[in-house]
Amino acid sequence: DARVTQTPRHKVTEMGQEVTMRCQPILGHNTVFWYRQTMMQGLELLAYFRNRAPLDDSGMPKDRFSAEMPDATLATLKIQPSEPRDSAVYFCASGLVIRGTGELFFGEGSRLTVL
Amino acid sequence: KNEVEQSPQNLTAQEGEFITINCSYSVGISALHWLQQHPGGGIVSLFMLSSGKKKHGRLIATINIQEKHSSLHITASHPRDSAVYICAAMEYGNKLVFGAGTILRVKS
Repeated sequence: DARVTQTPRHKVTEMGQEVTMRCQPILGHNTVFWYRQTMMQGLELLAYFRNRAPLDDSGMPKDRFSAEMPDATLATLKIQPSEPRDSAVYFCASGLVIRGTGELFFGEGSRLTVL
Repeated sequence: KNEVEQSPQNLTAQEGEFITINCSYSVGISALHWLQQHPGGGIVSLFMLSSGKKKHGRLIATINIQEKHSSLHITASHPRDSAVYICAAMEYGNKLVFGAGTILRVKS
């Protein structure tokens, strides 16, 4: 079964450290999303790509977060330096979105704890 | 005001009951997604709708584009349906905006 794969599944780090989360979207999907989920805020869109080009990263704190898609099989989300308020579950999702429609497939998430 | 509003926030039902979760949105959308998340679990896409109605097993999703409203129905609810149900509106340009979610608990 094709699925979206995220690594690491869990990450505990200290404040100030760099954190990189990776996502392997489903082959053939043209749109990749990064989301963050916290108890307080629910699901928030951080950034998304279409055909590897960043379309919108307005949901990300620009000074510390960066999202890239170096190739069609890898999307990365980097936090540098990390802060305790970044503790959350980070989800990646991909889909073949054509004219605004297309089913989305979510990864299992990366649970980040920043101490 | 959030662009996507869900109701109710919390819902407790007895096994076998018919359940409805509502979603209203204020933006122009190309599609609306219903997602399911079990406690501590990942997110599963249940439906993607751009018009009309879709059915999958005991789940039915409807959308009224003119009224900017969608509903998710669960017939003959079961404790395994207990989860968070999230409505997400895909705006033109592929930006996805989420509702706050509805926490459903089905008691046996």
